[in-house]
Amino acid sequence: DAKTTQPPSMDCAEGRAANLPCNHSTISGNEYVYWYRQIHSQGPQYIIHGLKNNETNEMASLIITEDRKSSTLILPHATLRDTAVYYCIADNYGQNFVFGPGTRLSVLP
Amino acid sequence: DSGVTQTPKHLITATGQRVTLRCSPRSGDLSVYWYQQSLDQGLQFLIQYYNGEERAKGNILERFSAQQFPDLHSELNLSSLELGDSALYFCASSVTGFNQPQHFGDGTRLSIL
Repeated sequence: DAKTTQPPSMDCAEGRAANLPCNHSTISGNEYVYWYRQIHSQGPQYIIHGLKNNETNEMASLIITEDRKSSTLILPHATLRDTAVYYCIADNYGQNFVFGPGTRLSVLP
Repeated sequence: DSGVTQTPKHLITATGQRVTLRCSPRSGDLSVYWYQQSLDQGLQFLIQYYNGEERAKGNILERFSAQQFPDLHSELNLSSLELGDSALYFCASSVTGFNQPQHFGDGTRLSIL
């Protein structure tokens, strides 16, 4: 599985878009990019995943660069409840996900 | 609510003891995963089962074992417990386990005294 690199922390103002970057420069052609978040000590919550194309669902949008070496998770209108640790994972089988330290997003009022 | 159910939510026991953690996957999911999250190690993959068979193994200690039953629920058995085993243990499930997201339960918090 490709290694991913994320900034350790970010702040975002409530109501603004939160853009969380992830670097996965060694990703292989069949590896998907998954995003999860963990609020306090709750179970990680699945957000979105994609292979090549940009993806959008009710929670977020995922923008993957054309060379697939990086991606950005976009929360369009961040709320206080979006404060969490966000994990970016590159995986080609959906098996043993490797969770790094993630990005601690703080949404500020 | 992810649809993955873990019991118990909290477990307190002593060193040297044995415990069993239980996981019921989402309806229709055939694959179950176990993860350990401790303060100093982050989320670590332990083991995966698919339709009753072990499919992948991570950093699971020999003192730990797991199985998936015909009704697809899974149990994680931890024995000869040590203080360092204190952690959150998460179960996740997915439909087939290939190129699909995993959905996590709320975890079991294990405290070793």
